[in-house]
Amino acid sequence: SQTIHQWPATLVQPVGSPLSLECTVEGTSNPNLYWYRQAAGRGLQLLFYSVGIGQISSEVPQNLSASRPQDRQFILSSKKLLLSDSGFYLCAWSVVGGPSTGELFFGEGSRLTVL
Amino acid sequence: QKEVEQDPGPLSVPEGAIVSLNCTYSNSAFQYFMWYRQYSRKGPELLMYTYSSGNKEDGRFTAQVDKSSKYISLFIRDSQPSDSATYLCAMRGSYIPTFGRGTSLIVHP
Repeated sequence: SQTIHQWPATLVQPVGSPLSLECTVEGTSNPNLYWYRQAAGRGLQLLFYSVGIGQISSEVPQNLSASRPQDRQFILSSKKLLLSDSGFYLCAWSVVGGPSTGELFFGEGSRLTVL
Repeated sequence: QKEVEQDPGPLSVPEGAIVSLNCTYSNSAFQYFMWYRQYSRKGPELLMYTYSSGNKEDGRFTAQVDKSSKYISLFIRDSQPSDSATYLCAMRGSYIPTFGRGTSLIVHP
């Protein structure tokens, strides 16, 4: 069966510090991968998605970046965090192609507080 | 107008009640419709996945899609305190879904 792991679960970072959130998927090959941010009362905001190694699409211009160094690994990064980067970050995967393409499977999330 | 509208609630009901959660949308291209449940401080989990108009039932849950009205619903029968969570609707035309803001549901004993 497929599983998705996301870490760290919680982190508190000072403004201006770097960020690295990591996500890995097991039990499937060549998944679509996604990073979402969920702010209180604002729903899920798609940040990045990837259809393959090295292929990243950005949905929202900001100081965050994403990378996919391996087929089942997705990393969210920042060189300098802003207060507005605080939130709940979710990694997700989906199969590629067919009607199930839109079924997203989410990780447990990473709660980031920038002080 | 947002593509997907969902009342954030909270919706508070007694145990055993029938719950109705709803979303409206504006994009006629949406063909696939989903409901996710999210417990506090956890990632969303997929509950129901339907294609086009009609009903789909899974245990105590029924998903209903009315494409002519651009309106989708999730019904929960015999609600339990363990159903207390945020319910997000999602829908897609291409392969990236658009999410509603989520409705907070509280089922009290």
